[in-house]
Amino acid sequence: QVQLVQSGAEVKKPGSSVKVSCKASGGTFSSYAISWVRQAPGQGLEWMGRIIPILGIANYAQKFQGRVTITADKSTSTAYMELSSLRSEDTAVYYCARGPPRGGSPLDYWGQGTLVTVSS
Amino acid sequence: QSALTQPASVSGSPGQSITISCTGTSSDVGGYNYVSWYQQHPGKAPKLMIYDVSNRPSGVSNRFSGSKSGNTASLTISGLQAEDEADYYCSSYTSSSTLLYVFGTGTKVTVL
Repeated sequence: QVQLVQSGAEVKKPGSSVKVSCKASGGTFSSYAISWVRQAPGQGLEWMGRIIPILGIANYAQKFQGRVTITADKSTSTAYMELSSLRSEDTAVYYCARGPPRGGSPLDYWGQGTLVTVSS
Repeated sequence: QSALTQPASVSGSPGQSITISCTGTSSDVGGYNYVSWYQQHPGKAPKLMIYDVSNRPSGVSNRFSGSKSGNTASLTISGLQAEDEADYYCSSYTSSSTLLYVFGTGTKVTVL
């Protein structure tokens, strides 16, 4: 059974960075894509970007270009999402989700979510 | 790139059928058969319910079905049950240069 387990909640100051991890088990990590999706309080889902670990290639939503970095460590089946220059609007639950590498592929397994709170 | 448009809320009585629409453009919903639907209960992660317009993952009830016509995709829930009360989001591949996926605005389904 595929499982994605994310790191715990974070509280950050404006202007700082946060790095969230997503450890996969029960599947073939490298050959899938790992997307990061966030959800602000009471709001909808927003795709941030994704990585295909076997290729080491990451794609980002233009909205987050320059502020987000998605990486993957194949040796530990773990993906990471780092968001910099944090502002209050980045307060949200951040999810990792797995899907086949083709564009538009469904996200069939999701992590439990990581709450990131940005507050002075 | 704007979010796909969904009705804010849809309601129905137990046993009834409801349909949620998801309207996009020819650059996303209308241009590709890569529409997915997700169910999200409060405080939980989304769950994939439909993929590639009309396919159900293993384990998802056949009360859930998907379709598409032009730039609008639809999710139908038949035989509505109390546990179907949740938020539902559509998503689509997009040919936009600014992102790969676009999500819908979300629909709150209430079972009366």
